[in-house]
Amino acid sequence: GAVVSQHPSRVICKSGTSVKIECRSLDFQATTMFWYRQFPKQSLMLMATSNEGSKATYEQGVEKDKFLINHASLTLSTLTVTSAHPEDSSFYICSARGDRFHTEAFFGQGTRLTVV
Amino acid sequence: QQQVKQSPQSLIVQKGGISIINCAYENTAFDYFPWYQQFPGKGPALLIAIRPDVSEKKEGRFTISFNKSAKQFSLHIMDSQPGDSATYFCAASKRYSSASKIIFGSGTRLSIRP
Repeated sequence: GAVVSQHPSRVICKSGTSVKIECRSLDFQATTMFWYRQFPKQSLMLMATSNEGSKATYEQGVEKDKFLINHASLTLSTLTVTSAHPEDSSFYICSARGDRFHTEAFFGQGTRLTVV
Repeated sequence: QQQVKQSPQSLIVQKGGISIINCAYENTAFDYFPWYQQFPGKGPALLIAIRPDVSEKKEGRFTISFNKSAKQFSLHIMDSQPGDSATYFCAASKRYSSASKIIFGSGTRLSIRP
C-alpha cells in the first residue's frame, strides 16, 4: 500500500493561536485528500474533501473560516485550525486517494490537538 | 441513503474464538466495502475490502461475507488473538472516483481475552 505521512502527531497550543497540520502522500499523487475529526470512542467525522488546485468542499456544520484547508500540490494538503479554542481539541486524521489507487484510501497517523 | 450501520458497539471474545462484526448499508450506488482497523492514537489502516460482485473474500484470518440483496456485510476474525484488540470500522464508497467520500460505520471496540 501507499504511505500517507501526517505531521505533527501531537500538538499543544494556547487558546487563540492557530495550528497547521500537514498531510503528505509519499509515494503517490493524491488527487483527493480528506480531513476527518474523531472524538474519543467515536467514528471518523468527515470535515472536508479537497482536490488539488481547487477549493475544499466542507461538510455541513464545519466552519470553513475556522478550519482552513489548502491542497496546493498533488502530494501535500494542510489543515489550519485558526483561533483555536479548547473545544477544537480533538484527533484530526487525513486521508488520501490518488492516481494509482482510485479505490483505496490511505490514512495518516493522526494529529492529537490539545488547546489549553 | 448515506448511512452505514455497524454492530455491535463493543465485543469481547476469548482468545482463539471467532469475532464477528456486522454492517448494513442503504445506498445501492456503493460498490466498495472496506474494513479498517484502528489502534488507540493511530490512524485507521485498511484491513480487507470487498466488491459487491463477490460474496466472500478471505485474507489470512480475516474474512468478509457480503450479501448484496440484504445490503449487509460482515467481518469474521478467526482464531482471534490479543493483538487483534482494536476498534474496527466498516465503510462504504464508490470505487472509480477518487473524490468519492468514504462513509464509515460507528465502529466496534474489540477486546480479545487471553
